[in-house]
Amino acid sequence: GESVGLHLPTLSVQEGDNSIINCAYSNSASDYFIWYKQESGKGPQFIIDIRSNMDKRQGQRVTVLLNKTVKHLSLQIAATQPGDSAVYFCAENTNDYKLSFGAGTTVTVRA
Amino acid sequence: DTGVSQDPRHKITKRGQNVTFRCDPISEHNRLYWYRQTLGQGPEFLTYFQNEAQLEKSRLLSDRFSAERPKGSFSTLEIQRTEQGDSAMYLCASSTETNTEAFFGQGTRLTVV
Repeated sequence: GESVGLHLPTLSVQEGDNSIINCAYSNSASDYFIWYKQESGKGPQFIIDIRSNMDKRQGQRVTVLLNKTVKHLSLQIAATQPGDSAVYFCAENTNDYKLSFGAGTTVTVRA
Repeated sequence: DTGVSQDPRHKITKRGQNVTFRCDPISEHNRLYWYRQTLGQGPEFLTYFQNEAQLEKSRLLSDRFSAERPKGSFSTLEIQRTEQGDSAMYLCASSTETNTEAFFGQGTRLTVV
């Protein structure tokens, strides 16, 4: 079946360094992607989204890149801070409303 | 707080009991979603409402599960005859019809013992 998934389950990064979290998707018809951050015991928090007619979108300290040729999505976090420690999910918006999530990448920021 | 609100935050119940969860979406959002998340996994879609109409139900939603949104505002998710496999975080989200960005609540963590 078609699914959204992340390349690595865990990522350890030094405080102040940049983080890159990767995600592969298989539904070539997907046209909207979202990155969520989830802290322990909390619901997913929207970070940034991108539509398939774009290949890059920037937010505050975050950049999402979309490569439709290889069906790959990445989230870059600049100058990673301790508060960035969380589980990060990429999600694919299907049927205009349904989100399909990958398993997530746990990011740990080392002081 | 104008975000999505879920109640209760935690629920422990004995196997075979019924439980009901409530979700209050962001007030101007006409779309409401329920997701289930088990440990170490991403959320899985359960069902979706547009206003009071339930437009899709996942195959994950067995006959023991029922969701309602009677007035197009808050929603309830009921699980009858709970099983240990129902233990999970139940997440509610809402969005407008034109903006597909979904905002999630803090979830209700269900533990069936």
